[in-house]
Amino acid sequence: KAGVTQTPRYLIKTRGQQVTLSCSPISGHRSVSWYQQTPGQGLQFLFEYFSETQRNKGNFPGRFSGRQFSNSRSEMNVSTLELGDSALYLCASGLDRRGTDTQYFGPGTRLTVL
Amino acid sequence: GENVEQHPSTLSVQEGDSAVIKCTYSDSASNYFPWYKQELGKGPQLIIDIRSNVGEKKDQRIAVTLNKTAKHFSLHITETQPEDSAVYFCAASHQGGDYKLSFGAGTTVTVRA
Repeated sequence: KAGVTQTPRYLIKTRGQQVTLSCSPISGHRSVSWYQQTPGQGLQFLFEYFSETQRNKGNFPGRFSGRQFSNSRSEMNVSTLELGDSALYLCASGLDRRGTDTQYFGPGTRLTVL
Repeated sequence: GENVEQHPSTLSVQEGDSAVIKCTYSDSASNYFPWYKQELGKGPQLIIDIRSNVGEKKDQRIAVTLNKTAKHFSLHITETQPEDSAVYFCAASHQGGDYKLSFGAGTTVTVRA
């Protein structure tokens, strides 16, 4: 079974631009979560989607948004990029059945904001 | 919200020795505790997890223990090998709750040949 895939793997943007990142979960997984990883703040939860609905959101500004499609693929968008948005953005998918909270991560998208 | 603390931040061991990483959590509602290994340029890879109804779990050279009363859990790697060198993260979440993983800050493990 293929793992979680994320595209693109690397991205360079300038301040003020906006960016869209894509995530395809493991086949059959319906839950998709997004995390930001930086050297200073570590791994921080952004949001989680299940059946096209945002089920949970972390403490990030409204510039960070996401959505999930009917095939469970997900995108996240960051508008008005700031230098501090430079990070590795990780997507994780899960089955979301009782007793199965396991989340599997993709390789991430490395975003650099200049 | 949940706060997970992880120690040590770096760990250097001789090949063949054991490595132990410890984590504490703050939210008594947390009931699922996974451990991830992250190698350079890759996403975190799940290596083992434990749920609150179990005190210990083993998978070959890797074991995890959980003390719910003290709110801490530990990762034990025995007979370490060079390929065990990586950053290890502990995490906690509330199963059936919000699906959010709260991570520790990570431990960089170096296995010396």
